[in-house]
Amino acid sequence: QVQLQESGPGLVKPSQTLALTCAVSGASISGGDYWTWIRQHPGKGLEWIGYIYKSANTFYNPSLRSRIAMSIDTSKNQFSLTLDSVTAADTAIYYCARDPSRAGRGQFDFWGQGKLVTVSS
Amino acid sequence: SYELTQPPSVSVSPGQTATIACSGDDLGHRYTSWYQQKSGQSPVLVIFQDTKRPSGIPERFSGSNSGNTATLTISGTQAVDEGDYYCQAWDSTTAVVFGGGTKLTVL
Repeated sequence: QVQLQESGPGLVKPSQTLALTCAVSGASISGGDYWTWIRQHPGKGLEWIGYIYKSANTFYNPSLRSRIAMSIDTSKNQFSLTLDSVTAADTAIYYCARDPSRAGRGQFDFWGQGKLVTVSS
Repeated sequence: SYELTQPPSVSVSPGQTATIACSGDDLGHRYTSWYQQKSGQSPVLVIFQDTKRPSGIPERFSGSNSGNTATLTISGTQAVDEGDYYCQAWDSTTAVVFGGGTKLTVL
């Protein structure tokens, strides 16, 4: 059974960088899956942030691309997200998820429990 | 940018069939997935590649996709099926796209 667990600060100040990590168990982060971040604004729908695949390949939501970076730590079997220059509009629950589909086109079969990140001074 | 449209809410009586539609340009030529999200919980994949059910998802969940509309059908709807349902597809410019979600009420 694949399990994912998000971690990171729950409060970030405006203009600073949001940084989250997703620890994966039950699957190798170096395998053929697409490791994904998705967020959900309070009371709203789901928004795909992007994925990282085999350490070097990334694909980001065009609307967030200029502020995002994702990376993988194979030694810890985890992947990470940073989001720069945050504003209150980035307040959301951030989920990490696995996408085992052939081309990372969305088929999120395992999700973390979600991390609420609030942007506030 | 590519968009998927869902009705905000659907109501169904217990034991009846619930149908949730998701519309998008030429959606029938894209694989669609569906997710169930109960209050305070992470989403759960219930249908992928239009019609396939992940292991552990009850047979009463089924999906179809043709033309501009994908449909999630829940046969013999139970109270436990209440929640928000999201469709999802992929577009070459927008990448992964989710519909706005449909709140299913069983009453």
